[in-house]
Amino acid sequence: AQTVTQSQPEMSVQEAETVTLSCTYDTSESDYYLFWYKQPPSRQMILVIRQEAYKQQNATENRFSVNFQKAAKSFSLKISDSQLGDAAMYFCAYRSARYGGATNKLIFGTGTLLAVQP
Amino acid sequence: GAVVSQHPSRVICKSGTSVKIECRSLDFQATTMFWYRQFPKQSLMLMATSNEGSKATYEQGVEKDKFLINHASLTLSTLTVTSAHPEDSSFYICSASRVDRGAAGELFFGEGSRLTVL
Repeated sequence: AQTVTQSQPEMSVQEAETVTLSCTYDTSESDYYLFWYKQPPSRQMILVIRQEAYKQQNATENRFSVNFQKAAKSFSLKISDSQLGDAAMYFCAYRSARYGGATNKLIFGTGTLLAVQP
Repeated sequence: GAVVSQHPSRVICKSGTSVKIECRSLDFQATTMFWYRQFPKQSLMLMATSNEGSKATYEQGVEKDKFLINHASLTLSTLTVTSAHPEDSSFYICSASRVDRGAAGELFFGEGSRLTVL
């Protein structure tokens, strides 16, 4: 079974600074997707960034980028120029690329609560 | 973008009553919908996978008779908490997977429903 581990329950960053959130996962599959979701106090899940395992190039979305190390099964999120609105719970998630029903469930890590200091 | 609507956002009920939560994909067809439960400051725990036209697949430890799931169409799944008790109080979130898989494995989330059982 696949697992996702986030070893940092809480992180703090100064506004305009850079912070990196860690995530490791375990799987025997070769084709899968990885995601970072943000959950603000409203509790709406918001997709931050996604990575297809077959792509070697690290995904980037504006101030958000990932460091995807497939061999090491590591998928960290870097937030540059942190803003107050980035404060939220961040979840790393894994999803199999095999198609069909429960195999496509998202498996979440335990989350990292990010605080942004003004 | 793909929109998933979840209703009601908040519900308070008396112990022993049943509560129905709806999850609708507004602008896409979803063959599979997922129901998660989230306790305060914790991660999302998958309860069940809902497949259109077939029985739901429940995760280990989730009572099928307590949490009834119906996926009657490609745009609607419902979760009914039967004979609710205070320990069922939680935040319930649905997510949907697109039929056309055009979203690179992404799941789209509803706004969540906060259930309080008195």
